[in-house]
Amino acid sequence: AQKVTQAQTEISVVEKEDVTLDCVYETRDTTYYLFWYKQPPSGELVFLIRRNSFDEQNEISGRYSWNFQKSTSSFNFTITASQVVDSAVYFCALSAYHTGGFKTIFGAGTRLFVKA
Amino acid sequence: DGGITQSPKYLFRKEGQNVTLSCEQNLNHDAMYWYRQDPGQGLRLIYYSQIVNDFQKGDIAEGYSVSREKKESFPLTVTSAQKNPTAFYLCASSRPRAGDTEAFFGQGTRLTVV
Repeated sequence: AQKVTQAQTEISVVEKEDVTLDCVYETRDTTYYLFWYKQPPSGELVFLIRRNSFDEQNEISGRYSWNFQKSTSSFNFTITASQVVDSAVYFCALSAYHTGGFKTIFGAGTRLFVKA
Repeated sequence: DGGITQSPKYLFRKEGQNVTLSCEQNLNHDAMYWYRQDPGQGLRLIYYSQIVNDFQKGDIAEGYSVSREKKESFPLTVTSAQKNPTAFYLCASSRPRAGDTEAFFGQGTRLTVV
């Protein structure tokens, strides 16, 4: 069975602080994909990053960085020098192929408040 | 512009009535998904479809039905059997090839049953 756990329900920071959002996953598949999505108040989810299970390289994109560690089944997301526009709900997701197609499940999400 | 269109954005229905939520995509994606979002519970998978005329139950399929007669369309019917249908519903699509499986989401339909 697949499971994604985002233990942090809400995080509140002051602008310019760094913040890390945690994601822990469970799967028996050897080939799988991990994702982070951002959901602004408008409701539409926006894709941020994808990682496959064979690629443990960390990635940096501007103020965003991701740390993938298979040994601890974690895929954490760090925002450096946070800004008010980063306020949103962030979802971690896990996808693997099952009968009939790719099945993607999501964590419960972490709501991030960035105060000016 | 390519994308996913969900309609309507807000939907009100009386208890006991079936209601169908529309989802159309022009991204030429093979796979389509329906999720339900409730406060504090993230997104839960209702149904997913890899190809036309085939679909699979997700984790919370009871009380819902879907069809996939065309590649572009994946409507979701919330039946009267769904005990707590009030929620935010999100449709997504993806091109499920290796290394290329991120999903694109519609703007969602907020269903309220009164």
